Amino acid sequence: DVKVTQSSRYLVKRTGEKVFLECVQDMDHENMFWYRQDPGLGLRLIYFSYDVKMKEKGDIPEGYSVSREKKERFSLILESASTNQTSMYLCASSRQGNTIYFGEGSWLTVV
Amino acid sequence: AQSVTQPDIHITVSEGASLELRCNYSYGATPYLFWYVQSPGQGLQLLLKYFSGDTLVQGIKGFEAEFKRSQSSFNLRKPSVHWSDAAEYFCAVGAGSMDSSYKLIFGSGTRLLVRP
Repeated sequence: DVKVTQSSRYLVKRTGEKVFLECVQDMDHENMFWYRQDPGLGLRLIYFSYDVKMKEKGDIPEGYSVSREKKERFSLILESASTNQTSMYLCASSRQGNTIYFGEGSWLTVV
Repeated sequence: AQSVTQPDIHITVSEGASLELRCNYSYGATPYLFWYVQSPGQGLQLLLKYFSGDTLVQGIKGFEAEFKRSQSSFNLRKPSVHWSDAAEYFCAVGAGSMDSSYKLIFGSGTRLLVRP
């Protein structure tokens, strides 16, 4: 089975803190994604990466950055967390042209 | 611009009743369409997908969906709902090249409640 692991399920951070959300996949997938999920808005794409060190902005990249130094790991970074970034964050991965698989999500609360 | 609309925020059905969840999309080219399900506190699981061919696609857990190009719709159906089907359902369209890299554009979701 495909495994997409988000190491932190629940986080509480203070406004202004730098936050790292880590995601690891074990299937040698080329593509990795970070989505944000909010009630009534569905899932919105923040960033995606189709290869190591490659990244593209999604629909809502403001306030976020990403890092992909190794194929299996894709990190989402909040440089200075704000309360409007309180949300559920979902990581996903896929092989080219195939099904996109999701992790279980990371609930981030910024106080 | 590509978009997906799920007009029903909530749907309540009785256990054993039939179910239809609506999905409409806007996409310039041939759409690649997906339905995902999310149980509370969990990630998303793929129910079924349409890339080409037969417009009626079968998925897991007894779900099916029908692609209707003339109506720009991809509605999800199940003939008899079980209490374990209570979850949130997301329709999505794939944007990009299906042969290499594509991303998913999601609707806002429909929450299904099942009455005993």
